[in-house]
Amino acid sequence: AQKITQTQPGMFVQEKEAVTLDCTYDTSDPSYGLFWYKQPSSGEMIFLIYQGSYDQQNATEGRYSLNFQKARKSANLVISASQLGDSAMYFCAMREELSGNTPLVFGKGTRLSVIA
Amino acid sequence: DSGVTQTPKHLITATGQRVTLRCSPRSGDLSVYWYQQSLDQGLQFLIQYYNGEERAKGNILERFSAQQFPDLHSELNLSSLELGDSALYFCASSGPIGILGGTGELFFGEGSRLTVL
Repeated sequence: AQKITQTQPGMFVQEKEAVTLDCTYDTSDPSYGLFWYKQPSSGEMIFLIYQGSYDQQNATEGRYSLNFQKARKSANLVISASQLGDSAMYFCAMREELSGNTPLVFGKGTRLSVIA
Repeated sequence: DSGVTQTPKHLITATGQRVTLRCSPRSGDLSVYWYQQSLDQGLQFLIQYYNGEERAKGNILERFSAQQFPDLHSELNLSSLELGDSALYFCASSGPIGILGGTGELFFGEGSRLTVL
């Protein structure tokens, strides 16, 4: 079974609008972390935001926020006020067993295109 | 700049050949991870080292091997290369997790793009 599922292969959003990228995860570990990364066309992986399973509040980092619904096992990324530079691939990832530096498992990604 | 250095950035070689990809983690990071990203695919975890020891193994082929040296740099060796090995190979490092550490996010190098002809 896939640990991380991103059901939207591609998304379009108008500049200055908000967009939500979906991510669901599967784990039986009570201690885990969820990450979002951005990969522009240049190829580098850029860390955006993190949510721990025990965090009470949804994480926010500038225009990025994470809509964390633990019971539904979803961790959707919300980008507000989209900019042309937000056009990229976005990957959701999870780490189980937070006490150790275990590897991140990545979803297949969502390609976001911001339209002027 | 993530602080993770990968060389070479680009590599073109022929089927059957062997290549070595090199990675220097961020200063102080003990964990090194290798990932493979094929065209328009997500990142597939290959292998992880922690302070010189193999920590976790993912979908790494037997033709591939890796090691982490005492100075913490790591090398990924790919042998008997096939066309399907063409991909972007990422190295990443992470610091400690928890109260005294951070969230444990991975810091990625710029990747080594391997093309097998």
